[in-house]
Amino acid sequence: DVKVTQSSRYLVKRTGEKVFLECVQDMDHENMFWYRQDPGLGLRLIYFSYDVKMKEKGDIPEGYSVSREKKERFSLILESASTNQTSMYLCASSLVPRRLGGRKGYTFGSGTRLTVV
Amino acid sequence: TQLLEQSPQFLSIQEGENLTVYCNSSSVFSSLQWYRQEPGEGPVLLVTVVTGGEVKKLKRLTFQFGDARKDSSLHITAAQPGDTGLYLCAGGGDTNAGKSTFGDGTTLTVKP
Repeated sequence: DVKVTQSSRYLVKRTGEKVFLECVQDMDHENMFWYRQDPGLGLRLIYFSYDVKMKEKGDIPEGYSVSREKKERFSLILESASTNQTSMYLCASSLVPRRLGGRKGYTFGSGTRLTVV
Repeated sequence: TQLLEQSPQFLSIQEGENLTVYCNSSSVFSSLQWYRQEPGEGPVLLVTVVTGGEVKKLKRLTFQFGDARKDSSLHITAAQPGDTGLYLCAGGGDTNAGKSTFGDGTTLTVKP
């Protein structure tokens, strides 16, 4: 089974810090995604990538950036952390639809619960 | 923009009861997924349905895709406390980027 590994389960950072959230998948998936999940707001897409060095803004990209230098790794960067970025961050990956197994949905990591104080 | 609405938003039942969760849209989806998320964890994919009218069973869970591929349901028979969690439906992902649309979820609590 493909695995998506997020580097930290829990993080506490100070306001203004630059924060890196790392995500690695081990099954050669083209697509990778970063979501945040907050009570009452559901899953909100921050950024996604469909290829190395390619990135697309999701629904709430403000205050975030991403990096995808290698196919298996997709990093989310909070340029200057703020308290309203306290959230559960979820990374996911999937195959492109044209490949066998495409449209089969996402594999999610276990999440990183980030608290900004 | 494709939207998915889930109902009910919250459901609290006793062990042994049956329940149905719904996922509805005004848009047609070529496939639809159901996930379960336990507290503090990421969502886990349960099933994908791709054909209108398709029914899939996973032990006590039965998933159905509407004939018009605009809606889906999840039925749980004889619910157990281990079924407790957030159930999410998602659709789309047909473009190269594979971006899916997620519903807001149904939070299920099964009391012993």
